[in-house]
Amino acid sequence: AQSVSQHNHHVILSEAASLELGCNYSYGGTVNLFWYVQYPGQHLQLLLKYFSGDPLVKGIKGFEAEFIKSKFSFNLRKPSVQWSDTAEYFCAVGPYSGAGSYQLTFGKGTKLSVIP
Amino acid sequence: EAGVTQFPSHSVIEKGQTVTLRCDPISGHDNLYWYRRVMGKEIKFLLHFVKESKQDESGMPNNRFLAERTGGTYSTLKVQPAELEDSGVYFCASSQARDNSDNYGYTFGSGTRLTVV
Repeated sequence: AQSVSQHNHHVILSEAASLELGCNYSYGGTVNLFWYVQYPGQHLQLLLKYFSGDPLVKGIKGFEAEFIKSKFSFNLRKPSVQWSDTAEYFCAVGPYSGAGSYQLTFGKGTKLSVIP
Repeated sequence: EAGVTQFPSHSVIEKGQTVTLRCDPISGHDNLYWYRRVMGKEIKFLLHFVKESKQDESGMPNNRFLAERTGGTYSTLKVQPAELEDSGVYFCASSQARDNSDNYGYTFGSGTRLTVV
């Protein structure tokens, strides 16, 4: 069975600090990888995704993630966080071929609080 | 473009009652998904419609949950009778059904927070 592990439940950073959120997955096949964000009171939004090609993926709002296949990891990074990055972040994985169902398996989420 | 709409946004019901959640996907999106997040846990897949057909309902927890998608448009998720452990946030998402990228191009609704007391 697929599973996604996010290492940190709650991260607190000061503005301008660098961010790295860990994500490891377990899946017996080729996967698509995603990071979603949920800002307070809003719906889940896609930050970035990896399907194939360059393992360093750039997303919106200055976020990037690196797929390391040998480590089954897809860590999220941002060099300098802002107060507006305060949100909950979710790593997710879906089977590459879809097999007709493009189901996502999510991690438990990491709450990020950025202190001005 | 209108987003995915879910209502109600909140629902508080007593154990044993029935609740129906509704999701209106983005027009033209054949894929419709239901997910649920119980407090402190992962967001978990419930089921997937392609148009009006259930493509995958492997995540439905038990037969107290019934999902329908009338005419391939909006979808409802009925819980009958509700139990305490059904409390959580129910998310709906939709996507186009073309290539791999489109199928995974989810747009999520804001969710329905269900509290069973």
